[in-house]
Amino acid sequence: LAKTTQPISMDSYEGQEVNITCSHNNIATNDYITWYQQFPSQGPRFIIQGYKTKVTNEVASLFIPADRKSSTLSLPRVSLSDTAVYYCLVGDMDTGGFKTIFGAGTRLFVKA
Amino acid sequence: EPEVTQTPSHQVTQMGQEVILRCVPISNHLYFYWYRQILGQKVEFLVSFYNNEISEKSEIFDDQFSVERPDGSNFTLKIRSTKLEDSAMYFCASRDENTQYFGPGTRLTVL
Repeated sequence: LAKTTQPISMDSYEGQEVNITCSHNNIATNDYITWYQQFPSQGPRFIIQGYKTKVTNEVASLFIPADRKSSTLSLPRVSLSDTAVYYCLVGDMDTGGFKTIFGAGTRLFVKA
Repeated sequence: EPEVTQTPSHQVTQMGQEVILRCVPISNHLYFYWYRQILGQKVEFLVSFYNNEISEKSEIFDDQFSVERPDGSNFTLKIRSTKLEDSAMYFCASRDENTQYFGPGTRLTVL
């Protein structure tokens, strides 16, 4: 399982774009990159997943460079409700026994 | 939108008692997981389950833990003799081809 490294915390203001970068130097060929959001006392919520290049959905974009050793979650125009912990996970989704390892995540605090 | 559900939302028990936490995964998913999160700490993997057997388990998942899929819809985590340090949020997840979806959690308090 590829180990991931993220900043422990980030601060932002409402309306700004936030970019959270995750390093995963030992990513394997079959590994996908998945980002989750977690609010206090709630289960992690899937945000976005990608394998390479760029993925965009209605809430975020995920940028993955060609070497796949890092990825960047981009949240456009954050609001106060985006204050949460964001986790980057790397793993092989093709195997049934996917042992998910969560890191400490990035605590994003959005200020008014 | 289909979602993972968990019951109860909060369980209080005495040390040494057995508890069963229940989960209803998303109906067409085949892979199931349990995690726990001690207050203020990170989410920890406990066990994954596929085809009616455990696929992988962590070192946390010792003999006091067991999982079962007793019917076509429920997925349970049993803790045989609870300890104070078992107090945590317990999350169930189920997975489609690529993505795990988490339930809202059960807060277990062991007194």
